[in-house]
Amino acid sequence: QKEVEQDPGPLSVPEGAIVSLNCTYSNSAFQYFMWYRQYSRKGPELLMYTYSSGNKEDGRFTAQVDKSSKYISLFIRDSQPSDSATYLCAFPNQGGKLIFGQGTELSVKP
Amino acid sequence: DVKVTQSSRYLVKRTGEKVFLECVQDMDHENMFWYRQDPGLGLRLIYFSYDVKMKEKGDIPEGYSVSREKKERFSLILESASTNQTSMYLCASSFRGPNEQFFGPGTRLTVL
Repeated sequence: QKEVEQDPGPLSVPEGAIVSLNCTYSNSAFQYFMWYRQYSRKGPELLMYTYSSGNKEDGRFTAQVDKSSKYISLFIRDSQPSDSATYLCAFPNQGGKLIFGQGTELSVKP
Repeated sequence: DVKVTQSSRYLVKRTGEKVFLECVQDMDHENMFWYRQDPGLGLRLIYFSYDVKMKEKGDIPEGYSVSREKKERFSLILESASTNQTSMYLCASSFRGPNEQFFGPGTRLTVL
């Protein structure tokens, strides 16, 4: 079993849709949870960082963590064409290494 | 703003050549990382370093080596490039601990 599972997509939605991106993980030692966004031909950049179960909101983005189910989600409200990118979940360990999901490619059509 | 720079955006090399990829960060980060990214395989860690002159193997170190002589600079070396090393190479840096990694723009390497 992979340590992190993430559906690679591609996922295509119309502008204004609510997008749900998900990852499952198997390592119960993960205490921190990240979402990175990567535009085409660029390096990934941190979008959201949380370390507790529940929801964390930042503008149109909400990160949700369910530690009991080992499941994290990223919701994008009122999606825009500029949200078209690959979204990667990531789990840091204490040493600073990141365990990445495969990434989900999202396309938001005008 | 944190800045991670990589020496080249695009590089074309021939099989058997020695290839150097350079990465520099300006935030005094202890940790530095080299990844490669391939379609369908995601980001894979090649090597990382927690401090000057220290290096640790990642998940796919075969065919690669690294050098960290100064805190701000981390070099990836392909001793004898092969076609299966054609990929996007990404460098990242972070403070010690479970912190955000800052990525460079990447180097797309093609080995012919």
